[in-house]
Amino acid sequence: EFVLTQSPATLALSPGARATLSCRASRSLDSTYLAWYQQKPGQAPRLLIYRASYRASGIPDRFSGSGSGTDFTLTISGLEPADFAVYYCHQYGDSPPYTFGQGTKLEIK
Amino acid sequence: EMQLVESGGGLVQPGRSLRLSCEASGFTFDDYGMHWVRQAPGKGLEWVSGISWSSSNRVYAGSVRGRFTISRDNAKKSLYLQMNSVTTEDTALYYCAKDFGSSADWYFDLWGRGTLVLVSS
Repeated sequence: EFVLTQSPATLALSPGARATLSCRASRSLDSTYLAWYQQKPGQAPRLLIYRASYRASGIPDRFSGSGSGTDFTLTISGLEPADFAVYYCHQYGDSPPYTFGQGTKLEIK
Repeated sequence: EMQLVESGGGLVQPGRSLRLSCEASGFTFDDYGMHWVRQAPGKGLEWVSGISWSSSNRVYAGSVRGRFTISRDNAKKSLYLQMNSVTTEDTALYYCAKDFGSSADWYFDLWGRGTLVLVSS
């Protein structure tokens, strides 16, 4: 079973700053099988990134994903007030159980 | 508009059963795999179970295997989760999620708003 470890648990930044969120897999993961979601309070998660670096439909280009092997990164450039939320990485593919990281809370500084 | 609407949650005693439903609209339901994902109060996301478009492939998290059963009725555009022998650890908001592909092994590109299950005596 893949274990995904996200860091930091909480990240406090100001609007306009650049956020870098990390997701580390317990063993090498094909980048095809890594996604990122955003969840705001009281809302369902929303798909941001799939296949590690592909933006989902309607997602602004200030969101970008990268990484390979065991280390993956979600970068948000020029933070806007709507971006402050919890972010989860997720591994899928041919090795269930599918797992999520524990989440990174991005909060306003 | 593509939409998933869950129902069936509520208060249930430990050891009892509950059946969740998810009704889909706005897309061709039987083209896609589907999943259940839960979120305990104040906690992160936990994948629970997935089912392929044809129901031929069903997968479960270890924490629910043998107690929960996922199923679907493509004619009714509905997904189900039969929850048996529930424990307090099953208390969570249960989300229905659409898979990008047909085999229930891709990312989740559409989520419902969830239905809350509270297990308590």
